[in-house]
Amino acid sequence: EAQVTQNPRYLITVTGKKLTVTCSQNMNHEYMSWYRQDPGLGLRQIYYSMNVEVTDKGDVPEGYKVSRKEKRNFPLILESPSPNQTSLYFCASSSATSGTRSYNEQFFGPGTRLTVL
Amino acid sequence: QKEVEQDPGPLSVPEGAIVSLNCTYSNSAFQYFMWYRQYSRKGPELLMYTYSSGNKEDGRFTAQVDKSSKYISLFIRDSQPSDSATYLCAMRGSYIPTFGRGTSLIVHP
Repeated sequence: EAQVTQNPRYLITVTGKKLTVTCSQNMNHEYMSWYRQDPGLGLRQIYYSMNVEVTDKGDVPEGYKVSRKEKRNFPLILESPSPNQTSLYFCASSSATSGTRSYNEQFFGPGTRLTVL
Repeated sequence: QKEVEQDPGPLSVPEGAIVSLNCTYSNSAFQYFMWYRQYSRKGPELLMYTYSSGNKEDGRFTAQVDKSSKYISLFIRDSQPSDSATYLCAMRGSYIPTFGRGTSLIVHP
């Protein structure tokens, strides 16, 4: 089954304790990205990756790191989490966009609900 | 002003009603317009997408894009309780999509 998986699904942690949220896709997609979703603010992109070893900042990258060493995996790292990073996080993937009329559907993972105390 | 504006609702309608969901935007470079549906405790799923202006129909769903007014709509005919979800509009010019805040729709029997 084609899917994007995230782990863990739920996490409660304390300020300053480094954590990693994993994301994996089995569709051989080039493009992967991380979003956070907050009430009243909608989905905001944190980081994205166009391919292996190629990453770039989205709209809200502060306090986050990512890496893309393999095509299927795109972990999100919070080196020193703070309470304002309490949020619902989604990983997404799609095949590379190309041409002026093509669109490739983004597939979202099930979400990771993070609480930072 | 946010690039994409979407009324968060909630929008509550009776079963069978025609639902109209809308977004406005300010960036003229947007060319791809998408609607995602998100059920509670799930990730968003693509419902429809449109390139540039025009209409697109898929079953009970119709997406409309009016680039001259910078306005997009999603119509749901014969709405069902199973349509109850949050609907997010999204749009992009190049690679990075911009999402609306989402509209919460409740269809009651």
